Amino acid sequence: ETGVTQTPRHLVMGMTNKKSLKCEQHLGHNAMYWYKQSAKKPLELMFVYSLEERVENNSVPSRFSPECPNSSHLFLHLHTLQPEDSALYLCASSYSDRANYGYTFGSGTRLTVV
Amino acid sequence: QKEVEQNSGPLSVPEGAIASLNCTYSDRGSQSFFWYRQYSGKSPELIMSIYSNGDKEDGRFTAQLNKASQYVSLLIRDSQPSDSATYLCAVEGANNLFFGTGTRLTVIP
Repeated sequence: ETGVTQTPRHLVMGMTNKKSLKCEQHLGHNAMYWYKQSAKKPLELMFVYSLEERVENNSVPSRFSPECPNSSHLFLHLHTLQPEDSALYLCASSYSDRANYGYTFGSGTRLTVV
Repeated sequence: QKEVEQNSGPLSVPEGAIASLNCTYSDRGSQSFFWYRQYSGKSPELIMSIYSNGDKEDGRFTAQLNKASQYVSLLIRDSQPSDSATYLCAVEGANNLFFGTGTRLTVIP
């Protein structure tokens, strides 16, 4: 499989649930990103991992917890979410020293919090 | 706070016309600029990148950059119904890209 793969594609969870989003890239990139996309808002950067180290945490609530075990995999662990967290969550990857080449995005996880 | 501004549209053009999408940005130090296309329910797809002032052409797409005016645009010639999508402007930051809200384009057959 090539590109950036995200699972699951759709997720409905209650506010007391714990779930995880998974992202895997097969492009040989060494930087990975989580973005949140809500209606009528710009893509919001959540976390950046470069060479498996977190280099940016963009004031994201602690109910979102990222994990990057290696340069090919990225997780977003979710717990006690709020309805306003319902959005499309996008993973992306790039070369850390060539981010100006642009990102490759995964298909996204459509999250609904009920 | 870095900002990227786009007209949210919707922008409607007839098939075969030229669609013009515009973007302004606030950080004068930005050097790399991108246009992504996002179909409804899909993820963004990179279609153009531009780094130098002037025009860059790729098929029916032309990106234009004016760093002095902090302005980047995308022209789509001979617009097709399949070009109907939201177009996101992205500007390089220190560790990531900053995105605009996107312009929704509809090409009318």
